[in-house]
Amino acid sequence: EIVLTQSPGTLSLSPGERATLSCRASQSVDITYLAWYQQKPGQAPRLLIYGASRRATGIPDRFSGSGSGTDFTLTISRLEPEDFAVYYCQQYGRSPLISFGQGTRLEIK
Amino acid sequence: QVQLQESGPGLVKPSQTLSLTCTVSGGSISSNDYYWGWIRLHPGKGLEWIGNIYYSGSTYYNPSLKSRTTISVDTSKNQFSLRLNSVTAADTAVYYCARGPGWNFDLWGRGPLVTVSS
Repeated sequence: EIVLTQSPGTLSLSPGERATLSCRASQSVDITYLAWYQQKPGQAPRLLIYGASRRATGIPDRFSGSGSGTDFTLTISRLEPEDFAVYYCQQYGRSPLISFGQGTRLEIK
Repeated sequence: QVQLQESGPGLVKPSQTLSLTCTVSGGSISSNDYYWGWIRLHPGKGLEWIGNIYYSGSTYYNPSLKSRTTISVDTSKNQFSLRLNSVTAADTAVYYCARGPGWNFDLWGRGPLVTVSS
């Protein structure tokens, strides 16, 4: 069974700073099937990135995804106040077919 | 625009069956372009995929929940449903229905909290 490990668990930064979030898979993931989501308290997750690097509709270009194989990264170039949330990576293809990382909490420093 | 809305009891007794329905409005569930899924968020923990269904009825389940899970679709009502049997307190979570273009999820319902308690 594939395990997605996100790091760090919590990231404390200030608005305007650059955020780098990591997602490491225990087995290789096809880049076509790696996605990132943002979730704010009391809200449903929002798809940010799919295909490892493609921004979903309406997502600002300060969000970017990269990586391949077992190591993937979500980068937020300059943090806006509304970016402070929990971020999840998600893979498809390896058992259990669809799985999520445990999340990274991005908090205001 | 397309919207998803979950409905069902917010409280279920242990050993009973959790039942939720997702109504799709503003678009057809019978689209070749989408899968329809259920995902849950445990309090203080992360997201867990439960399963997906295609409008034709093809289903895909998380192996850890498969023995207790049934996902079905009713195209005449533009709805799909989740049944989770023999629930315990560990099944207390926010349950989301979602639309999947491919194997990610681009549209989500609001997600009701379902509590398992006597």
